[in-house]
Amino acid sequence: QKEVEQDPGPLSVPEGAIVSLNCTYSNSAFQYFMWYRQYSRKGPELLMYTYSSGNKEDGRFTAQVDKSSKYISLFIRDSQPSDSATYLCAMSAGGGFKTIFGAGTRLFVKA
Amino acid sequence: EAQVTQNPRYLITVTGKKLTVTCSQNMNHEYMSWYRQDPGLGLRQIYYSMNVEVTDKGDVPEGYKVSRKEKRNFPLILESPSPNQTSLYFCASSLSGQGVGNTIYFGEGSWLTVV
Repeated sequence: QKEVEQDPGPLSVPEGAIVSLNCTYSNSAFQYFMWYRQYSRKGPELLMYTYSSGNKEDGRFTAQVDKSSKYISLFIRDSQPSDSATYLCAMSAGGGFKTIFGAGTRLFVKA
Repeated sequence: EAQVTQNPRYLITVTGKKLTVTCSQNMNHEYMSWYRQDPGLGLRQIYYSMNVEVTDKGDVPEGYKVSRKEKRNFPLILESPSPNQTSLYFCASSLSGQGVGNTIYFGEGSWLTVV
């Protein structure tokens, strides 16, 4: 079983839709949860991060962590064609040096 | 501008021909690492370095070598490339390995094909 599971998609939605991207994990030691966005032929870039459980909002993006269920989500409101990219969840136990990445979900937002 | 620069961006090589992918960062970061990205498998860490002259294996180190003689540079060496090393490679750096402030900065990627 992988430490981090993420549905690779692809996920195709119309412009303006609310998008929900999710990851599950098995390691209860993870404390830091991140979402990276990767455009085609580019390296991933940090989009959002949260520590422990709870929600964090940044503009149209909301990151949510439920440690009891070992489940994290990224919500995108009013999705735009420019949001079309691969979204990778990432997690770390802190103290150590390794960040574990999910496989990435490919998102297409159609105009 | 803060960046991680890797070269070459695209390379086709033949089995067994040694090659080096260079990586350089201008952010004075201590921590550098190499990942490979394959469909369905996501990013997998090959090697990482916590500082100059300190390197360690990641999850998939077989067939690769690294060195860290200077803080800014972290080359990836394929001594005898094989077709199963055909992949997209990313060099990355971060201030340190710890905590949520540890934003990982990635290079643009190097597409490597071994025939």
